[in-house]
Amino acid sequence: GQSLEQPSEVTAVEGAIVQINCTYQTSGFYGLSWYQQHDGGAPTFLSYNALDGLEETGRFSSFLSRSDSYGYLLLQELQMKDSASYFCAVLGSGNTGKLIFGQGTTLQVKP
Amino acid sequence: DTAVSQTPKYLVTQMGNDKSIKCEQNLGHDTMYWYKQDSKKFLKIMFSYNNKELIINETVPNRFSPKSPDKAHLNLHINSLELGDSAVYFCASSPGSPNTGELFFGEGSRLTVL
Repeated sequence: GQSLEQPSEVTAVEGAIVQINCTYQTSGFYGLSWYQQHDGGAPTFLSYNALDGLEETGRFSSFLSRSDSYGYLLLQELQMKDSASYFCAVLGSGNTGKLIFGQGTTLQVKP
Repeated sequence: DTAVSQTPKYLVTQMGNDKSIKCEQNLGHDTMYWYKQDSKKFLKIMFSYNNKELIINETVPNRFSPKSPDKAHLNLHINSLELGDSAVYFCASSPGSPNTGELFFGEGSRLTVL
C-alpha cells in the first residue's frame, strides 16, 4: 500500500520561513510533488522532485531524500496570500501518472 | 481561455438520483483523471484515462461510470446517488509521458446529495 504523512496544521507570521514535512511509504516511487490549494479553489502544482536534493522556484523550495522516504516544502518570506493547504503527493511506479496525495497541511500566515 | 474546465460547478440533488459531470481540456494532454476531495480535504484518485483507454480504476463503486469520448474529454456519471457521494470532484489532465508529477486541475464540481 501507500501512505503519506504530513502535519495537519502549521502557523507562521508574515516574512517568516516555514517548512512542511512529508514522509511516505510506497510500493513504488518515481518522485514527490507538492501542490497548493486555496479554500474553494483547485490544487495547483508547485514542484516535483525525482532526485535527491533541493529544487528552488522563487520563494518556494522542495527537498527530497529517497533513502529516508522524506521530503519537505520550504516557503520563505511568507505572505498572507500563502495561507492555503499544501499537499505532498507521490508519483508511483508504472507509467500511469497516478499521484497519491497526503492529507494536506493547512498553513495559516498571520500578520 | 480555461485549460481544464468542468461543468457544472455546483450540483445539489436528492439521494437516488443520477447525475453527470463533464470535463474538457484544451492542453493537448493524453491523460485525464477524476479525483474526489472529501470534507476533510483528502484527495483520492478515482479513474484515469489515457487516449480514451481506462488505465486506473481505484475500486470505485460501479455506480460511478467514467466515459472518455475522445482524449480531450472525460465525463463522470453517477447512478443512485448516496449521501456519502457528497464531495468536490476534480478533473485533471497531464501530458502522460514523461511523467513529471504535474497535474492540471479543473476548478472542481461540488456535489451535495440531500
